[in-house]
Amino acid sequence: QQQVKQSPQSLIVQKGGISIINCAYENTAFDYFPWYQQFPGKGPALLIAIRPDVSEKKEGRFTISFNKSAKQFSLHIMDSQPGDSATYFCAAKSGGSNYKLTFGKGTLLTVNP
Amino acid sequence: ETGVTQTPRHLVMGMTNKKSLKCEQHLGHNAMYWYKQSAKKPLELMFVYSLEERVENNSVPSRFSPECPNSSHLFLHLHTLQPEDSALYLCASSQEGSGGRQFFGPGTRLTVL
Repeated sequence: QQQVKQSPQSLIVQKGGISIINCAYENTAFDYFPWYQQFPGKGPALLIAIRPDVSEKKEGRFTISFNKSAKQFSLHIMDSQPGDSATYFCAAKSGGSNYKLTFGKGTLLTVNP
Repeated sequence: ETGVTQTPRHLVMGMTNKKSLKCEQHLGHNAMYWYKQSAKKPLELMFVYSLEERVENNSVPSRFSPECPNSSHLFLHLHTLQPEDSALYLCASSQEGSGGRQFFGPGTRLTVL
């Protein structure tokens, strides 16, 4: 049973546009929600993360929106650039574990020039 | 070297071979992880070591054998693998108490013939 559902599987956006990737979860014990960015041939790199006590976190062009009641969170990439083309993974950590991250299946983002 | 390094980057092996994957972290962290990344699937946590003790073993077949001789090094010993074990194997590290911030290496692309 997949505990973190990510959509869409792939996304094509024009340069300058807004990219939006969504994730939904069921486990209310999750207490940490990171997003990872992965380029081909590289490991995932932590991009931005949020805890459930805030509804939004912004770092540069990247924003996480968090809806605790709906058990959903999303990544918004403003002014998308070709260099943002990568695979993005959402994840969630249970408050009962120091270690275990549950990942979504990933979204392949392509930003066209 | 900085961050998390993995060797080899690519490995092709037969089903009867024995090989080992190596991971080294240069971040001063005290927890290390092995993940399996397959196409169209979420990252799968395989093993977690904290302070050189295994704290998580996610029902991984015994043909995968981890070893953590110290807090900076992690190995994954492979023997009698199956073709379905072909995947990208990622190592990660974190500092206990960091709330889930994991740092990944570039991975080893394993092909089992």
